[in-house]
Amino acid sequence: DGGITQSPKYLFRKEGQNVTLSCEQNLNHDAMYWYRQDPGQGLRLIYYSQIVNDFQKGDIAEGYSVSREKKESFPLTVTSAQKNPTAFYLCASWGGGANVLTFGAGSRLTVL
Amino acid sequence: GQQVMQIPQYQHVQEGEDFTTYCNSSTTLSNIQWYKQRPGGHPVFLIQLVKSGEVKKQKRLTFQFGEAKKNSSLHITATQTTDVGTYFCAGPYSGGYQKVTFGTGTKLQVIP
Repeated sequence: DGGITQSPKYLFRKEGQNVTLSCEQNLNHDAMYWYRQDPGQGLRLIYYSQIVNDFQKGDIAEGYSVSREKKESFPLTVTSAQKNPTAFYLCASWGGGANVLTFGAGSRLTVL
Repeated sequence: GQQVMQIPQYQHVQEGEDFTTYCNSSTTLSNIQWYKQRPGGHPVFLIQLVKSGEVKKQKRLTFQFGEAKKNSSLHITATQTTDVGTYFCAGPYSGGYQKVTFGTGTKLQVIP
């Protein structure tokens, strides 16, 4: 089945540590996205990528970094510079004939 | 930057009552999409509207896209407990498909 796989599903981190969230898709979609969702809040765009080796900052990119070395993969690193990283992180891809967003199941990060 | 607001933020309805959420963008959208997120889940695509003034129906759900392509609405007739969740509108800028911005969402609670 085609889809998006995010890992880990749950992650605990100590303050000051960097952590990388994985996002892999086998939908052959060109564009990929990272969103952050806080409890009771909407989705805020962190980074997005149209093609391999290219990505753009979203609305809340500070304290995050990404890479897009392969079409299938778009990992997100939450750095120690992110002051309030506890949140639900959602990865999505855009493409195919319908041109809609397909989401992964999400990664829930908690900073202790 | 682009802002997409939704009202109301929360809505509690008695089962069988109707429900409407409104979406307003600060910029013109090339298309508008609606997603539903069940509690604890990830957003799932519902429908896409492309044409100015377009109206689409999915069973008890009616979606409209404004004439100026800057606003949209979702109306649910005779709500059921299965309608519980948060409804988001989302859209790319009119100039391209790179940045997909989500609305703030409307959380619907249906009281049996």
